[in-house]
Amino acid sequence: AQSVAQPEDQVNVAEGNPLTVKCTYSVSGNPYLFWYVQYPNRGLQFLLKYITGDNLVKGSYGFEAEFNKSQTSFHLKKPSALVSDSALYFCAVSGASGGSYIPTFGRGTSLIVHP
Amino acid sequence: NAGVMQNPRHLVRRRGQEARLRCSPMKGHSHVYWYRQLPEEGLKFMVYLQKENIIDESGMPKERFSAEFPKEGPSILRIQQVVRGDSAAYFCASSPFSGTGGIEQFFGPGTRLTVL
Repeated sequence: AQSVAQPEDQVNVAEGNPLTVKCTYSVSGNPYLFWYVQYPNRGLQFLLKYITGDNLVKGSYGFEAEFNKSQTSFHLKKPSALVSDSALYFCAVSGASGGSYIPTFGRGTSLIVHP
Repeated sequence: NAGVMQNPRHLVRRRGQEARLRCSPMKGHSHVYWYRQLPEEGLKFMVYLQKENIIDESGMPKERFSAEFPKEGPSILRIQQVVRGDSAAYFCASSPFSGTGGIEQFFGPGTRLTVL
């Protein structure tokens, strides 16, 4: 079975500082990895994904994520946080081989950016 | 290009009533997924459908819940004889195809079901 862990329920960061939202995964074979963002009372919006190739993936709104196979991690990062980045962030994994093609989502991490 | 549409956005039902949640996927998308979101629990997969076919319903409760995606019209998630534990946000997502799972999904705004 595939799984995702987002070890932090909440991340607090000051505006202008770099941010990291952590994600680790477990899946048979090679993973497909995703980050989504959810604003209050809205559905999830796709930010970025890792399929293959370069371990550093760039996505929407200045976000990026680094795939680390040895640590089975896919942390979301941004060099300079904005107050408007405050939202709920979800990491998801699906299996390129062996695992399920249906994505499994983490429990979400609430990012709070303070002015 | 309209995104994924869900209605109603809010639905209040009394225990024992039926709830019908509708989802229209993005234009050109033929794959629909339903998820349930509870506070502190994240997003849980319920069912995956293509037109006129249920592909994977491994996350769907065995009783009272059903889903369909007819040839014409929206996908419908139906909950019969609702109980208070069914109160949650229900999200629909669509994709143009599934392939091997590397395709991102597009989510609707959700239906928030409250059971009194």
